[in-house]
Amino acid sequence: QVQLQESGPGLVKPSQTLSLTCTVSGGSISSGGYYWSWIRQHPGKGLEWIGYIYYSGSTYYNPSLKSRVTISVDTSKNQFSLKLSSVTAADTAVYYCARDGDTVPAYFDYWGQGTLVTVSS
Amino acid sequence: DIQMTQSPSSLSASVGDRVTITCRASQSISNYLNWYQQKPGKAPKVLIYAASSLQSGVPTRFSGSGSGTDFTLTISSLQPEDFATYYCQQSYSTPYTFGQGTKLEIK
Repeated sequence: QVQLQESGPGLVKPSQTLSLTCTVSGGSISSGGYYWSWIRQHPGKGLEWIGYIYYSGSTYYNPSLKSRVTISVDTSKNQFSLKLSSVTAADTAVYYCARDGDTVPAYFDYWGQGTLVTVSS
Repeated sequence: DIQMTQSPSSLSASVGDRVTITCRASQSISNYLNWYQQKPGKAPKVLIYAASSLQSGVPTRFSGSGSGTDFTLTISSLQPEDFATYYCQQSYSTPYTFGQGTKLEIK
C-alpha cells in the first residue's frame, strides 16, 4: 500500500520561502510510471494543482505559480519536495502531495493527509 | 486553462435519495474526467476515473457518465457516509484543474 506523508514548517513569514517534503512509502519513486504532484487547498476553498515531477526530474508547473515554484526529487530518500518563494498570506493553505497514476487518463490515486501552512509574521 | 464548472454548488438530500452532480468543461476533454470525494479535514479520495470507471473499493452506488464537455456523478441511494464535498478534475491537459466543488448536506 502506497503512503505519502507531507512534512515541513506550519508557519512561514511573508516574503520567505515555503518548503515542504513528501515522503513516499510502500513504493519507489524511481520505479517510474508515475508523476508526483503538489496540490493545495485554501481554507474553505477548492483544490489548486501546483505542479508535478517525474522520477527523472522533469517537471511541469502551473503557470499561475510557475515563477515562484520549484519541485525537486530525491530518489535515494524516496522523497519529493516543494519550494514556493516570496510567499504572502494568499499562500496560506493546506498542501497535499499526491501520486498521479500510470493510467490514461491519469488521476490522483494516492494522497498525503495534507499539511496546513500559514503565512504570517 | 480548461475551466471546470460544477452544479449545484451545494445540495441537500436525504438518506436513500438518488443524487446527481454535474460538471462541465470549457472545452472538450474526451473522457479525461475524474471525481473525488472529500470529507472535512481529510484528503480527497478518488471515486471515478476516466469519466465512468469505478475506483477499486468504491461502492457501486457511485457511477459516472459523460464525454466531451458534460459529465455527471450519480449516487443511486445516499448513505450517511456520503455526505461530503465532491470535486471533478480534468486530466486532459496541464495545468490540471478542478471544479469548485459540490457540498452534499443532510436534509
